[in-house]
Amino acid sequence: DAMVIQNPRYQVTQFGKPVTLSCSQTLNHNVMYWYQQKSSQAPKLLFHYYDKDFNNEADTPDNFQSRRPNTSFCFLDIRSPGLGDAAMYLCATSRDDGSYEQYFGPGTRLTVT
Amino acid sequence: GESVGLHLPTLSVQEGDNSIINCAYSNSASDYFIWYKQESGKGPQFIIDIRSNMDKRQGQRVTVLLNKTVKHLSLQIAATQPGDSAVYFCAENIVGGSYIPTFGRGTSLIVHP
Repeated sequence: DAMVIQNPRYQVTQFGKPVTLSCSQTLNHNVMYWYQQKSSQAPKLLFHYYDKDFNNEADTPDNFQSRRPNTSFCFLDIRSPGLGDAAMYLCATSRDDGSYEQYFGPGTRLTVT
Repeated sequence: GESVGLHLPTLSVQEGDNSIINCAYSNSASDYFIWYKQESGKGPQFIIDIRSNMDKRQGQRVTVLLNKTVKHLSLQIAATQPGDSAVYFCAENIVGGSYIPTFGRGTSLIVHP
């Protein structure tokens, strides 16, 4: 089945230790998103790619970076995780054909110790 | 800025009852809305959508109602089941505008057997 896959599902990192979260999709969608979601809150958009074009949200900290080497893969790099970065990180995709539905992965739960 | 909001953060119902989850939006230009269901530990999943040229749309056990006059959206779930327990988000878009949705705060639905 076509889907959005995130690895790992659970990630524990130490304060200040760089971490990379991965997302892959088999939907061949040209838009990919990274969201941060904290408990009992709506997903907060960090950035998105339209094809290879990177779009950063104005309030996304510089500590968060992203790479999209090809259509299928997208990575979220957290250069120096702080305790406040502990959250669920959701990857999503969508088409750009007038369909606004987003397809979400299962998320990666990040713990910072 | 303008945002989508929800009236009730938590809704508890008995199995078999009908559930109504509400959403208020403030951007009068929004003309496309999606309801997502997010189960614990998973990413949001599309439930149903509605465009502003409609005031009602039905799916399997779910109905979305749109009242553009008061900028209000609701999701009705018939014969609620324990598997319906989740957080429900509404999201708004402007057709022809940005494909980035604005998510509401979310309502937690708890279904008691």
